[in-house]
Amino acid sequence: DAGITQSPRYKITETGRQVTLMCHQTWSHSYMFWYRQDLGHGLRLIYYSAAADITDKGEVPDGYVVSRSKTENFPLTLESATRSQTSVYFCASRRVSTDTQYFGPGTRLTVL
Amino acid sequence: SQQGEEDPQALSIQEGENATMNCSYKTSINNLQWYRQNSGRGLVHLILIRSNEREKHSGRLRVTLDTSKKSSSLLITASRAADTASYFCATAIPAGGTSYGKLTFGQGTILTVHP
Repeated sequence: DAGITQSPRYKITETGRQVTLMCHQTWSHSYMFWYRQDLGHGLRLIYYSAAADITDKGEVPDGYVVSRSKTENFPLTLESATRSQTSVYFCASRRVSTDTQYFGPGTRLTVL
Repeated sequence: SQQGEEDPQALSIQEGENATMNCSYKTSINNLQWYRQNSGRGLVHLILIRSNEREKHSGRLRVTLDTSKKSSSLLITASRAADTASYFCATAIPAGGTSYGKLTFGQGTILTVHP
């Protein structure tokens, strides 16, 4: 089915480990985004991408790395996970014609 | 800092009543959008209003925008239990350059509609 998917949906990891969250969309949208959602902070933008091989930092990029080798995929990597990165992570893609974003179901990450 | 601030943080009403949520922002915008998030789910786009529009309707939703006051409101009429969710406003800065259509979200209003 067309849409935007994220994997895994739930992840528990330990401090210092590397974790990669996957995001895949089937619409061929050029723009993609990664957000984290925390109580008291709403959604905050981590990284975004305008096209394959074009990425840029958002509001809270420290400790995260992204890549975009293919239009449909936008993985987010936590190089050395910290407890403060415990959060719910949402990936989104943007339909330019309507200027709206479509969100994945989220990944709940717990760092012990 | 958050571009959008929402008020109230939580709202509890009875089915059939209207629900009004407000959003204030700080800088010039290209458009303002409202999203809904059901518990444990991703956000779903509800409605977009452009900076040159003052009011927009979609079904039971009515959105207003006052750029002079940098504020917007979302009205849900004749609410239903299924409207129970968190509602977020999001602002898009004027297009161009490297904006990429980035959105800045408020912290949201938690709406509870009692049957």
